[in-house]
This record gives sequence, structure tokens and C-alpha cells, in this order.
Amino acid sequence: QQQVKQSPQSLIVQKGGISIINCAYENTAFDYFPWYQQFPGKGPALLIAIRPDVSEKKEGRFTISFNKSAKQFSLHIMDSQPGDSATYFCAASPLGGTDKLIFGTGTRLQVFP
Amino acid sequence: NAGVMQNPRHLVRRRGQEARLRCSPMKGHSHVYWYRQLPEEGLKFMVYLQKENIIDESGMPKERFSAEFPKEGPSILRIQQVVRGDSAAYFCASSPRRGTNTEAFFGQGTRLTVV
Repeated sequence: QQQVKQSPQSLIVQKGGISIINCAYENTAFDYFPWYQQFPGKGPALLIAIRPDVSEKKEGRFTISFNKSAKQFSLHIMDSQPGDSATYFCAASPLGGTDKLIFGTGTRLQVFP
Repeated sequence: NAGVMQNPRHLVRRRGQEARLRCSPMKGHSHVYWYRQLPEEGLKFMVYLQKENIIDESGMPKERFSAEFPKEGPSILRIQQVVRGDSAAYFCASSPRRGTNTEAFFGQGTRLTVV
């Protein structure tokens, strides 16, 4: 119940294309869903996050779509660029808990020019 | 305002030795989280500490691992009698107070290699 399942494991996209990464969860007590971007040798950096009271959040080229009834959320990267090549992690945090994050297993994105 | 500082960045230990990983949170942050990342895997929560208190250690292995966050100085993750399976990247994150995981920032990690 504490798992967050992420897919695909790896993704190759042409420059200018749309990258889509999906995550699913089971614990309905999760109330915070962030996405992190990690470059090799670096720590994860918060990219964008959403709470379950909204179905979509957009920041620049990055959009989170959230489906509460299906317990799924996804990251869309529009106009993907080679500089977006990194590993992306979805995560979830439970309401009223200690704010610890439960991470997905990651998606390695490669954007080719 | 310096970010979350972790040191050392790389640590090599022989089997059976002790590893000490340090994390200095961002200025004004009194909450620290430790996560472990095995190769090609996501981050796994280990422990959550507030100054002088362990709040949640549900992710810590029962033996050989301990963590502290003293009143003064950095948070320390200590691994005694390291084994090859402890080889991983260890990340800490800090936040200013409980309930603000939206304001948590990660350090660059310590990469532990056990030989």
C-alpha cells in the first residue's frame, strides 16, 4: 500500500516531442504528489508538485495530470529538449504523516536532437 | 543561502569498517530526512529527525545503522561494520518545519562504496 509504481523505466523522445511518464498508487491517504528531476551525480531537484484537490497543474513546459478516482498521476514534458535528459521520479507523501516521500523507481529520459 | 551540504561526496570503506555521513541542512531548517538510493533504483526513506529527536525511523535497517541530529552541528548517518550491500548513494533533505515537504531540498548525496 505504500508503493508508488512508475512507468516506463526508460523513454527515448525526439527533440520537440512530448514526454509522458506515469505513476500509480494505492494508498488513498497520500495527499502530496511531487515530481523530481535528477541528473547523474546530483541530488533530486523538485520539478513540480500537485495536491489531490486539482486535476492539473502546469509550470512552463511541465504539466502534472492527476486522476484521483484512478489513483494515477502523470508528468508531461512538452517540447522536450536535450537538456531535459535526466532521470525523473514521481513520489507521494501521506496526509498527516511525517512528510516522508515514497518514491517511484524512476524513468530515464533521453531526448535526442 | 547555501543549499543542503553533504560530505563527503564519495566515501570508500572496506568491509567491516564504519561509515559516517554528514548532512548540514539549509539555514533555518531544523528537519532532516535521510534516503538511500541503490543503483538503478528510486530513493528509499530511512529516517526523519528533528534537532535532538528521531521522529520516524521506520525505514532504518534494524542493525548497524543509526542517525542523530544534535543541537549543534550536522546530522550524522552512521553505518557500522559495512557490507557490500551498503554500497549506495545516501541523500539527505531538509525542511524548515514539519508539514512542509513542499519546501524540502535535497543535498548532492554521499556515494558510499564498500570494497
